[in-house]
Amino acid sequence: EVQLVQSGAEVKKPGESLEISCKGSGYTFSIYWIAWVRQMPGKGLEWMGIIYPVDSDARYSPSFQGQVTISADKSINTAYLQWSSLKASDTAMYYCARPRIVGSMEAFDIWGQGTMVTVSS
Amino acid sequence: QVVLTQSPSASASLGASVKLTCTLSSGHSTYAIAWHQHQPEKGPRYLMKLNSDGSHSKGDGIPDRFSGSSSGAERHLTISSLQSEDEADYYCQTWGTGITFGGGTKLTVL
Repeated sequence: EVQLVQSGAEVKKPGESLEISCKGSGYTFSIYWIAWVRQMPGKGLEWMGIIYPVDSDARYSPSFQGQVTISADKSINTAYLQWSSLKASDTAMYYCARPRIVGSMEAFDIWGQGTMVTVSS
Repeated sequence: QVVLTQSPSASASLGASVKLTCTLSSGHSTYAIAWHQHQPEKGPRYLMKLNSDGSHSKGDGIPDRFSGSSSGAERHLTISSLQSEDEADYYCQTWGTGITFGGGTKLTVL
């Protein structure tokens, strides 16, 4: 079964760092892009960025460039989303997703279950 | 940059049909999109990729009740024989230089 499994919920304080993960299984992880998508409370889906694990080529939405870092370790089929200094406004559900076509950034057909990040003092 | 426009809400009765629309911004009417269903407390679920000619590729296990069609810059998702579990948010997504989501439509099944 093709799936993406994300790490568990996190509660952090403003200014703290955080890394959440997304592990792929059931397919050749390195040759599919992996995207990260944010959903703030009561809001819609926002694309944050995307990475190609085979060479760690990462692209960011202008809205998130410089705010987060996306990385991947193809040896363990895992992608990461990292913050160096969290803000309360980072409180959201975060999803990883995989496009349906090898090497393409098109329609996402596999989604992770989501990781809730809560940032509060 | 392409923009996708969706109505914020829609409603229809149990057993009826509903047609949701995603409109591509000017100059992008040939773009394909994807439709996703997002139920509360779950990850989004891929429904289909919908091309400008109306052809579509559905995800595994998506019932025949879900279908897609296109007209100009509009991409439609039609759900027939509505069931209570169809109550969810529906998002369209497209891609180009980056990835874009529509604002989503909250579907209420009456």
